Amino acid sequence: GENVEQHPSTLSVQEGDSAVIKCTYSDSASNYFPWYKQELGKGPQLIIDIRSNVGEKKDQRIAVTLNKTAKHFSLHITETQPEDSAVYFCAASHSGGGADGLTFGKGTHLIIQP
Amino acid sequence: DTGVSQNPRHKITKRGQNVTFRCDPISEHNRLYWYRQTLGQGPEFLTYFQNEAQLEKSRLLSDRFSAERPKGSFSTLEIQRTEQGDSAMYLCASSSRGGRYDTEAFFGQGTRLTVV
Repeated sequence: GENVEQHPSTLSVQEGDSAVIKCTYSDSASNYFPWYKQELGKGPQLIIDIRSNVGEKKDQRIAVTLNKTAKHFSLHITETQPEDSAVYFCAASHSGGGADGLTFGKGTHLIIQP
Repeated sequence: DTGVSQNPRHKITKRGQNVTFRCDPISEHNRLYWYRQTLGQGPEFLTYFQNEAQLEKSRLLSDRFSAERPKGSFSTLEIQRTEQGDSAMYLCASSSRGGRYDTEAFFGQGTRLTVV
């Protein structure tokens, strides 16, 4: 089955700086890679996703890159703000979308220092 | 509120008891998913439905677990003879199947189960 590794487990950055979270996956059949943000006491919220037919996707301050050859993908957040503080999860599946059979990483606790 | 709704939010039960959780998806979504999340871990896939049909079950879903979606709307997840290892957050999500890919999946706030 799929195995997703996520690093770092904790990331502390100064407000306004950039944050990068990296994930690797093992199943070459995986074709869908969403990123979720989870705040305390809430369910995960999709912030950006990418499919295997593209290498990069950007949405305002958030971008995701995918390297299929190396089987890794990364989340980039620029101009970080206090409200970006949360736990971020990467995930992978071969369903092309939705939440069917997603394998999640263990999460990164992002702390934005004011 | 038109998001995914889960009830109850918290449940404390004694070991050996049965518990049932409910999930109401976003009304126009035909796909519904159950996940389990333990402290400090990412969610783990349990099962999913397309309309009333249960299409996939994880090996994590032991025979003590059963999920239903009788009319293709709300879903229930029942755990029989609960064990302390069942203590976790149970998350429900929903999405639509449209065209080539599913739409974005929305998660509910979860039901936190504590088995004592």
